[in-house]
Amino acid sequence: AQSVSQHNHHVILSEAASLELGCNYSYGGTVNLFWYVQYPGQHLQLLLKYFSGDPLVKGIKGFEAEFIKSKFSFNLRKPSVQWSDTAEYFCAVNARAAGNKLTFGGGTRVLVKP
Amino acid sequence: DSGVTQTPKHLITATGQRVTLRCSPRSGDLSVYWYQQSLDQGLQFLIQYYNGEERAKGNILERFSAQQFPDLHSELNLSSLELGDSALYFCASSPLAGGNTGELFFGEGSRLTVL
Repeated sequence: AQSVSQHNHHVILSEAASLELGCNYSYGGTVNLFWYVQYPGQHLQLLLKYFSGDPLVKGIKGFEAEFIKSKFSFNLRKPSVQWSDTAEYFCAVNARAAGNKLTFGGGTRVLVKP
Repeated sequence: DSGVTQTPKHLITATGQRVTLRCSPRSGDLSVYWYQQSLDQGLQFLIQYYNGEERAKGNILERFSAQQFPDLHSELNLSSLELGDSALYFCASSPLAGGNTGELFFGEGSRLTVL
């Protein structure tokens, strides 16, 4: 079965600091990888996605993620965070062979202090 | 606004009761997914429907059932409610039955509190 691990449950940092959130998955086949963000009181929104090609993926709001196949990882980064980045971030994976069923990690709550 | 509509936004009920959560997918999307988000379990996939038919099943309890109607809206029925069923229930939609994109569009969720 697929599993997705996000190692940091809570992250607190100041504005302008750099952010990196870890994500590892266990599925060995071909995968599609996603990062979703959930701002307080809102629905989940797609930040970025990786299907194939360049393993460095750029998303909205200055976020990027790097797929490292050998490490089964898809870490999310942002060089300089803003207070408005305070949210919960979810990594998700689905295997093409298993169809369109997303498995989510446990989420990381990020608090950016002004 | 994702285009996915869920009602009700909040629901408070008692143990043993039954509730129905409703979801209208984005215009044109044929697939509807239900997820449960709780503090201890995170986001758990419950069930997927495509064009009225059940397509995939996840960690859905036997006390829970769902269906997708001809107009493509979906309902999640939760019965014999227990305290542990208190959670945020998300609906998501996608234009595809399966395939290889995996991008889902989420509603704002229905927060269920069981007292």
